Formats: sequence, structure tokens, C-alpha cells
Amino acid sequence: AQKITQTQPGMFVQEKEAVTLDCTYDTSDPSYGLFWYKQPSSGEMIFLIYQGSYDQQNATEGRYSLNFQKARKSANLVISASQLGDSAMYFCAMRGLNTGNQFYFGTGTSLTVIP
Amino acid sequence: GAVVSQHPSRVICKSGTSVKIECRSLDFQATTMFWYRQFPKQSLMLMATSNEGSKATYEQGVEKDKFLINHASLTLSTLTVTSAHPEDSSFYICSARRLAGAPRDNEQFFGPGTRLTVL
Repeated sequence: AQKITQTQPGMFVQEKEAVTLDCTYDTSDPSYGLFWYKQPSSGEMIFLIYQGSYDQQNATEGRYSLNFQKARKSANLVISASQLGDSAMYFCAMRGLNTGNQFYFGTGTSLTVIP
Repeated sequence: GAVVSQHPSRVICKSGTSVKIECRSLDFQATTMFWYRQFPKQSLMLMATSNEGSKATYEQGVEKDKFLINHASLTLSTLTVTSAHPEDSSFYICSARRLAGAPRDNEQFFGPGTRLTVL
């Protein structure tokens, strides 16, 4: 079974500061992918970053980086230099590459950037 | 590339009517599309996986006779909420995967969602 846990229902960060959003996962699949999505109030799901379980290096995409610690089964999202437009819900998701196509989502973290 | 559209974006209907939501991949072909449901301040819950040319696979607890899914082509899947009731009011989001071997075929590309309100 796949499970994604996000323990921070809400986070606040000062504009221009960095923030880390936590995500832990559990899976029996030896090969899997981890994703982060941003969902603003409009509802659309915006892809941010992807990490494959066999990737040697942590993924980075602009101001987003993924702190992947495989042994601890964690895939935290780091947003550097926060901007007001970063205020949104953030979802961590996992897909087992050998156990079907489904994505399993965490419960989300609401991020508020304070000016 | 990899744009997914949904229509309508918002619908209000009376209890007992049926509502059809379309999900289209605009610039790529998708053998697999997914339908999610999201209640306010909650996560996305997978309802069903839709494969082109075959029957959808429904998640446990999702009534297949109530939520009819048709995946008629590689670019279109539809979700019909039959005999809708107020408890069906929710945000419905579809997503699509590219064909295996295409760039970024690991990802799901999401539509903008459809907000359904049943009076």
C-alpha cells in the first residue's frame, strides 16, 4: 500500500525567506516517483518538481528543490526566496512505477507568505 | 505543451439531474486519464482510472453507476454524475498521462477543475 503524510496543515513564512514543507511516504514498491504540486485558490494543480526513487541527486527547479532522503522516506520541498504569489496549498504525491498509474496525494499544507 | 482542459469550469444544477464533465488533452495523446474529487480544504481523492477503449477502473467506495466514465478517444474522457444530489457537490479534477515513451510520461497533467454545485 502507498501512503503519503504531510504533517503541517498550515505554514507561515516571511517574504524572501526560505521554507521547508514536509512530506514522508511509505511504499513497498522498489521504484517510485515523488511529486510536488501547488494549488492556488483558483483550484488548478500546478506541477512543481519531480524526484525519481533512483535519482542520485536531489531535484531542483528554479526556486524549488526537493530534499530527498530515501532511507528516511522523506521528500521535503524547499522553497527559497518566498514570494507573495507562493501562498497556496501544496500537495506531495507519489506514484509507484511498478504498481499502477495512480497518484497518491498527501493531505496538503497551506502556505501563507507574509509581506 | 501538455495542456489539459475541462468543461464546464463551473456548473450549478438541480437535484436529480445529470451533469457531464469533459476532460480533453489538447496537445498530446493520453491513454490514461484520471478523475479526482476534492472537498473544501481536503486532498484530492482518486475516483477512477480511465483507459481509452476500455472500462474505467473505480476506486473502492465509488459507485460506478453514479459516476459514469467514458474514454472514447486518446484525447477525451467524460465523467457523468447521474441523478446528482447535494452531497455530490464538489470540485472534480481530471488528469492525463502521456503515452509511454513520450517526454515526461511519468507525470500527470491536470485540468483546471470543475466546480459542481447541486441545489
